[in-house]
Amino acid sequence: DIVMTQSPDSLAVSLGERATINCKSSQNVFYHSNNKNYLAWYQQKAGQPPKLLIYWASTRESGVPDRFSGSGSGTDFTLTISSLQAEDVAVYYCQQYYTSPLTFGGGTKVEIK
Amino acid sequence: QLQLQASGPGLVKPSETLTLACTVSGASISGSDYYYWAWIRQPPGKGLEWIGSISYSGSTYYTSSLKSRVTIFDDASKNQFYLRFKYVTAADTAVYFCARVKPGLKENAFDVWGQGTMVAVSS
Repeated sequence: DIVMTQSPDSLAVSLGERATINCKSSQNVFYHSNNKNYLAWYQQKAGQPPKLLIYWASTRESGVPDRFSGSGSGTDFTLTISSLQAEDVAVYYCQQYYTSPLTFGGGTKVEIK
Repeated sequence: QLQLQASGPGLVKPSETLTLACTVSGASISGSDYYYWAWIRQPPGKGLEWIGSISYSGSTYYTSSLKSRVTIFDDASKNQFYLRFKYVTAADTAVYFCARVKPGLKENAFDVWGQGTMVAVSS
């Protein structure tokens, strides 16, 4: 199974500041045949289901604010919130869909400093 | 607008069989849209675990660690798909989500989620 490791476990960021979350996969999730990274990011607010933010490592889902961006390739990925808003308080998860079983990272909790 | 709603018994006893249903509205689970559907669970205070998926044609795919205890099936006439979980233990206590696999691939991100249903395993 591909193990997804996120860091840090939690972070506190001031409103308007940048938040950076890292995700590392135990195996490459990049397909050379289509030049895509099979990596997604989700946001989960308390008491709610996860919401898809980013897929193909850097493509924003429709309706997701542009302060959310994804980057990286191969085994190392980053989710960046460029200017943290109060409504961004949540747990963020990465997920690989390169191969079965589909696996998630352990989550990163983002709070306001 | 596509919506999913998971439902279940809430409480089951250890060693019993759990059956959950996901009701889909706004799309046909077995129609020409060629969608895949999934079950994902989240133990209290923990992360997410993909359990398995079912295709528009009824093909199923499971995570290996649960494959011996899990069956996903559907009822097109009700536009529902189901999760059957045998021999449950306290470790199966979790919120169970149903979700749509983002169209285009059998294995993909999950773009539409139901609210989830809490299942507690306790005697």
